[in-house]
Amino acid sequence: AQSVSQHNHHVILSEAASLELGCNYSYGGTVNLFWYVQYPGQHLQLLLKYFSGDPLVKGIKGFEAEFIKSKFSFNLRKPSVQWSDTAEYFCAVNWSGRDDKIIFGKGTRLHILP
Amino acid sequence: DVKVTQSSRYLVKRTGEKVFLECVQDMDHENMFWYRQDPGLGLRLIYFSYDVKMKEKGDIPEGYSVSREKKERFSLILESASTNQTSMYLCASRTGGASSVGELFFGEGSRLTVL
Repeated sequence: AQSVSQHNHHVILSEAASLELGCNYSYGGTVNLFWYVQYPGQHLQLLLKYFSGDPLVKGIKGFEAEFIKSKFSFNLRKPSVQWSDTAEYFCAVNWSGRDDKIIFGKGTRLHILP
Repeated sequence: DVKVTQSSRYLVKRTGEKVFLECVQDMDHENMFWYRQDPGLGLRLIYFSYDVKMKEKGDIPEGYSVSREKKERFSLILESASTNQTSMYLCASRTGGASSVGELFFGEGSRLTVL
């Protein structure tokens, strides 16, 4: 069965630290990849997506993610985090051609210390 | 801006009650979804719909049903609520077509407590 794994459930960083959140998915062919973010008290929103082309994709608020096909990974990065990045982050995968089903990871809670 | 509105932010129901969760989107999206979100489990897909009167089971459909009589409205129904259905329920929508797969617009959620 398809699955999505996020390595860290809870990450605590100080402002200006660099961030990398891991995401791996099970093998299943061509994939569409996403990162969603949920700020405290707000609804989930799309941070960035990868469908094809350049494996390094840039999203909103200075976030980027790199698709490494050989590792089945789609890690999220930000060179210098801010207190306002405190949120929960979800990796999500759609296996292309398999209807509209999006499988979400279990989420990573990111806490940025001011 | 796309707006996905869930009718109730907080509900408290008793075991065995029938529960309706309503979701309305204002952007003429073809596809709509219901997820539940639980701490440590992420989001799990309950049902989704491609069009009016069409529905597809997600990963955890047991104990739930859905209704889509109009394009903008997608309802989740708990026929007989149980305590293990206490959760945050999220509705989402997206426009149709392969190019927008996964670009979901979410509502603010309905937190259901079943006593």
